[in-house]
Amino acid sequence: SQQGEEDPQALSIQEGENATMNCSYKTSINNLQWYRQNSGRGLVHLILIRSNEREKHSGRLRVTLDTSKKSSSLLITASRAADTASYFCATAYTGANSKLTFGKGITLSVRP
Amino acid sequence: EPEVTQTPSHQVTQMGQEVILRCVPISNHLYFYWYRQILGQKVEFLVSFYNNEISEKSEIFDDQFSVERPDGSNFTLKIRSTKLEDSAMYFCASSELQGNMGYEQYFGPGTRLTVT
Repeated sequence: SQQGEEDPQALSIQEGENATMNCSYKTSINNLQWYRQNSGRGLVHLILIRSNEREKHSGRLRVTLDTSKKSSSLLITASRAADTASYFCATAYTGANSKLTFGKGITLSVRP
Repeated sequence: EPEVTQTPSHQVTQMGQEVILRCVPISNHLYFYWYRQILGQKVEFLVSFYNNEISEKSEIFDDQFSVERPDGSNFTLKIRSTKLEDSAMYFCASSELQGNMGYEQYFGPGTRLTVT
């Protein structure tokens, strides 16, 4: 399977703390994308990192990619209660026509 | 900011009925996708569409499913004879370009399909 798998499955932190979420995958990828989903709602695109990139930033988000370890991490700095959501990594693997393969997601709870 | 829209937000149908889910992708995007998420499960790829034809489809996307771009803006998913197991949230997505490294896929808010 080429699925992205996130860990931990659930994360609970205090507002203001940083949240780190990890994603591992099994085959070569073109890119990896992180999404947020609030309960029962749509998928909000957060950030895309391509296989030739190692790190990207967007506001309070920092994503890293280690292709040798087939893993990525999403760091949310200075978390807010509004960051409470499920976070998914999705991989577009080499040879595919850009379809995304999603992991099971991480449930992040930020306590006010 | 441009966004993908989907209608209806919730569709209830009886088993065996046909449903059409509608999507309006972002206007300058060229690639369109349907995904689904059964409650409590992963988001699963169904089909991708480019230049008025299917680019790729998953094994879920059998003969009961079809996609169409009937005009310059809409992108539809039809399920001919719904089954109970088709109950899920269906997401439409679009991307601007496809290339070796891929591009962002932007998702709509989803249509929750309930088959009774």
